[in-house]
Amino acid sequence: AQSVTQLDSHVSVSEGTPVLLRCNYSSSYSPSLFWYVQHPNKGLQLLLKYTSAATLVKGINGFEAEFKKSETSFHLTKPSAHMSDAAEYFCVVRRRMGTDSWGKLQFGAGTQVVVTP
Amino acid sequence: NAGVTQTPKFQVLKTGQSMTLQCAQDMNHEYMSWYRQDPGMGLRLIHYSVGAGITDQGEVPNGYNVSRSTTEDFPLRLLSAAPSQTSVYFCASAWERGGNEQYFGPGTRLTVT
Repeated sequence: AQSVTQLDSHVSVSEGTPVLLRCNYSSSYSPSLFWYVQHPNKGLQLLLKYTSAATLVKGINGFEAEFKKSETSFHLTKPSAHMSDAAEYFCVVRRRMGTDSWGKLQFGAGTQVVVTP
Repeated sequence: NAGVTQTPKFQVLKTGQSMTLQCAQDMNHEYMSWYRQDPGMGLRLIHYSVGAGITDQGEVPNGYNVSRSTTEDFPLRLLSAAPSQTSVYFCASAWERGGNEQYFGPGTRLTVT
């Protein structure tokens, strides 16, 4: 079985300060992991993905995430928050079922990021 | 490319009514899926399809039907709407096997009274 846990439902940061969004996963095999962002009243956009290549993954808009197998974590970071980073962020694991080679996405509950001036 | 499109953007239904949420993609993606988004629960998979004529259930399929007669279209049918189906619905599609990246539509906000 697989699951994904986002450890913070809300994160508030000041503009220009670092952002850390925490995600832990459980998986019986090497997973594919993603971070998606959802701006208000918009669809979801892929920020970055880990698929068993480099453990430090760089994404769009200055975000990056590090896959740590020993800690079963995939935390998302950004060195300096911008007002436009205010959004909801979802950590996602790709879940396979039996012989299904496609896999399905399992979403965390989301972290709402607020950026203050 | 328009990407993934969904119609309508907003819909209000009365309990017991039926309706179809439309989803189309113009990227020739094999894989398409429907999710519902509820506060504090992330997105949950309703149904998915790995190609025309092939559909399967996700985590929360009850009360919904799908069909996939063409590669481009993947409509979601609510058979008899219930207030518990009040949610935001997202359609997504993916090209490569493994679905490493899914492209999401803008969503349909559905309210059932």
